[in-house]
Amino acid sequence: EPEVTQTPSHQVTQMGQEVILRCVPISNHLYFYWYRQILGQKVEFLVSFYNNEISEKSEIFDDQFSVERPDGSNFTLKIRSTKLEDSAMYFCASLKPLRGTLGETQYFGPGTRLLVL
Amino acid sequence: GQNIDQPTEMTATEGAIVQINCTYQTSGFNGLFWYQQHAGEAPTFLSYNVLDGLEEKGRFSSFLSRSKGYSYLLLKELQMKDSASYLCAVSARAGSYQLTFGKGTKLSVIP
Repeated sequence: EPEVTQTPSHQVTQMGQEVILRCVPISNHLYFYWYRQILGQKVEFLVSFYNNEISEKSEIFDDQFSVERPDGSNFTLKIRSTKLEDSAMYFCASLKPLRGTLGETQYFGPGTRLLVL
Repeated sequence: GQNIDQPTEMTATEGAIVQINCTYQTSGFNGLFWYQQHAGEAPTFLSYNVLDGLEEKGRFSSFLSRSKGYSYLLLKELQMKDSASYLCAVSARAGSYQLTFGKGTKLSVIP
């Protein structure tokens, strides 16, 4: 069964450094998402991406964040200058919308645990 | 704004039935999802309701009442491996599919 994959599984970085988190969505999916989950807290939406552009973003997704789909398979989240509060699990998700079916379901990758020191 | 409430923790006995409730107040509604999340892992899709009523899927069922802003997840014949957090999430806008999650209900299944 196809699945969303993410790399790396864990990343440790120093405050102020740039990090790039990578995702390979399910191949025939059209919408791509990044969510984050700070330890012990709820899953929070960051950004959605469709047709090679950002379709929605949350207040969390400020100028320090960017997303890219550099080729036909990868979807990346970049944090330019990490802060301590960026430490979280980052989940990528993808969706292929089909009205009236489970096609509106988002499938999540295993996550990247980011620790900013 | 969006608000999704669910109990923080629940405990149930192996073999029993447990019902996890979720209430929501959102600016729109385009479907309600239940996900299972084991500690340190990704959310895994369980069920989806967009119309009122009960959706059954093996040991798991989910119910929705849009007029009451209410859903529940019913787990039957509980197994130890069902110990996990159960996340209620709402898609508020058609064409957006962005999910707003509740804080999750941590279910502990005891022998």
